[in-house]
Amino acid sequence: NAGVMQNPRHLVRRRGQEARLRCSPMKGHSHVYWYRQLPEEGLKFMVYLQKENIIDESGMPKERFSAEFPKEGPSILRIQQVVRGDSAAYFCASSGATVNTEAFFGQGTRLTVV
Amino acid sequence: DAKTTQPNSMESNEEEPVHLPCNHSTISGTDYIHWYRQLPSQGPEYVIHGLTSNVNNRMASLAIAEDRKSSTLILHRATLRDAAVYYCILAGFNQGGKLIFGQGTELSVKP
Repeated sequence: NAGVMQNPRHLVRRRGQEARLRCSPMKGHSHVYWYRQLPEEGLKFMVYLQKENIIDESGMPKERFSAEFPKEGPSILRIQQVVRGDSAAYFCASSGATVNTEAFFGQGTRLTVV
Repeated sequence: DAKTTQPNSMESNEEEPVHLPCNHSTISGTDYIHWYRQLPSQGPEYVIHGLTSNVNNRMASLAIAEDRKSSTLILHRATLRDAAVYYCILAGFNQGGKLIFGQGTELSVKP
C-alpha cells in the first residue's frame, strides 16, 4: 500500500506563473488535508477536503489559492500568479476518518518562486 | 480551539529514555491527544494517539494524566534518528476534524 504521494517534489516557478501541486492519498482514504510550511516556521493548516467537497478552507488565503479533490484522481492545490512569499513546503495528508485515526503525510512539494 | 503547551527544545543522550511533556488544560472530553514528529526535510509522521488510557506502540508510549490536562510522550531508548520536532496535538470535533500544529518540541539526541 503506497503512502501519500505528492508530486512534484520540487517546483520552481517565476513570479506570476501558476503552480499546481498534486496529492494522491493512501488507498481507501477519502479525507485530504493541505498544509504549508514557510522556511523556519511551523506547519499551517490550509484546507480540508473530502471527495468532491471542501469541508474547511479557513486556512486558505482568500485570493490566488484554490484546492479540489475530484471523484477520480488526485487532490490539486493550485496557486495562481505566484509571488516570492509563496515559496514554502506544501504538505498533503490523508486519513480514513477524522478525529480518532492517524493521518499520513506525504514528503511534500517544495515550491520556489524566482 | 483547545491549545497545547510544550517546551521549545529538549536534549537527550542516545539509548536513554526521553519524556516529552505536553500541557492541555483546556482539553474537552471528546478531544484525542495525538503526537506527530517531523524529521528534518520530511513530512510529519504519526507517532501515537490516545483518549484516556495510556497507550503503547512500537514507536513510543503515551502516558495521559488522570484529569487529561497533560500527557507525556515516552521514547524508551532514544536513537540519533529520533532527533526531530515533536508535536502534541488535540484532535476532535472542536477542531473540525483537522490537526492544528503548534510549535512543538525540538528534540536533539547526543551520541
